[in-house]
Amino acid sequence: AQSVAQPEDQVNVAEGNPLTVKCTYSVSGNPYLFWYVQYPNRGLQFLLKYITGDNLVKGSYGFEAEFNKSQTSFHLKKPSALVSDSALYFCAVRDPFKAAGNKLTFGGGTRVLVKP
Amino acid sequence: KAGVTQTPRYLIKTRGQQVTLSCSPISGHRSVSWYQQTPGQGLQFLFEYFSETQRNKGNFPGRFSGRQFSNSRSEMNVSTLELGDSALYLCASSTRIGSYEQYFGPGTRLTVT
Repeated sequence: AQSVAQPEDQVNVAEGNPLTVKCTYSVSGNPYLFWYVQYPNRGLQFLLKYITGDNLVKGSYGFEAEFNKSQTSFHLKKPSALVSDSALYFCAVRDPFKAAGNKLTFGGGTRVLVKP
Repeated sequence: KAGVTQTPRYLIKTRGQQVTLSCSPISGHRSVSWYQQTPGQGLQFLFEYFSETQRNKGNFPGRFSGRQFSNSRSEMNVSTLELGDSALYLCASSTRIGSYEQYFGPGTRLTVT
């Protein structure tokens, strides 16, 4: 069975500093990996995905993520955090086999607080 | 293009009642998935529909059911509500099974008292 772990419940960072949100996964085969962000009282917004190819993936709002197969990690990064980046971030994995459909397995989420 | 819409946005029900939540996917999207979000269990997959057929089901009791209509709109029903069913229910739509991107609605906040 596939699983995703986000080891940090909360990450605090000063505005302008680099932001990293960690994610590790466990899945058989080559995973499809995703990052979503959730603002208060809102649904999930797609940030970026890794399907295949270049290990460094660039996404929305200046975010990027690096896929590391040997460490089974997919950490989310932003070079310079903004106060408006304060939100709940979810890492997710999807089984690439068609029979699994579009089902996403999510990590527990990491709350990011960017202080001015 | 309009996004995924979910109705109602907020709902308060009493234990033992049943509830129906609605999801309208993005125009042209034919796959709809449902997720339950709670502070304790996080985000959990409920089920997925495509072309009016349930394609995938999560590990939830039979009190949770759903369906999809010919216009791709989907409903989920929870019967005999329990306090633990209080959650944010999220719907996601995509163009097809195997699509790389899913678009989430704002959710329906269900409170069971």
